[in-house]
Amino acid sequence: DIQMTQSPSSLSASVGDSVTITCRASQGIRNDLAWFQQIPGKAPKSLIYAASSLQNGVPSKFSGSGSGTYFTLTISSLQPEDFATYYCQQYNAFPHTFGRGTKLELK
Amino acid sequence: EVQLVESEGRWIRPGGSLRLSCAVSGFTFRSFSMNWFRQAPGKGLEWVSYISDSGRTTYYADSVKGRFIISRDNAKSSLFLQMSSLRAEDSAVYYCARAVVVSYSSGERSDYWGQGSLVLVSS
Repeated sequence: DIQMTQSPSSLSASVGDSVTITCRASQGIRNDLAWFQQIPGKAPKSLIYAASSLQNGVPSKFSGSGSGTYFTLTISSLQPEDFATYYCQQYNAFPHTFGRGTKLELK
Repeated sequence: EVQLVESEGRWIRPGGSLRLSCAVSGFTFRSFSMNWFRQAPGKGLEWVSYISDSGRTTYYADSVKGRFIISRDNAKSSLFLQMSSLRAEDSAVYYCARAVVVSYSSGERSDYWGQGSLVLVSS
């Protein structure tokens, strides 16, 4: 199975800040990488797919990059609604595996 | 509007069985593969099972292989997860999600998700 190592596990930031979350795959996955946002009690919401493509309707403050084994998600100009948990997921091979999540908290 | 609605979850005793369903609307169900995911209370996301658009190809996580069966009824735009020999560690919110081909050489990503169905396995 492909292991996804996501860091940090938690992150404190202020409104207006920019943050970056990283995700490493245990083997090359080309760009078959997605990022999801999850608010407590809600279903995950797709943000980014193919490492850097923005899901329809997602604001451009979210951006992704990377290929192979190293990927990043950057969120700029944080707003209160952005404080949530973020997950990376590889869909290159079954089982589709997730990172353990990054909880973004308000400082 | 794309919608995926899972059946209501329930409490069930260890060793029991349960069939989850996912009713979809807003897209041509028979043209898309589907996935089930789950999330144990306070934990991260876990992929559970996949079924191709035709239903001919299925995959399972090792943790559920031999106990869970994924199926679909394209005529009724419905996805199912038959769960048997349930264990406490199967307690989770179960999500159905649509799988989308990104490009010819890529895997299928999950774009739209249902709201989730809570399954609690406990004596």
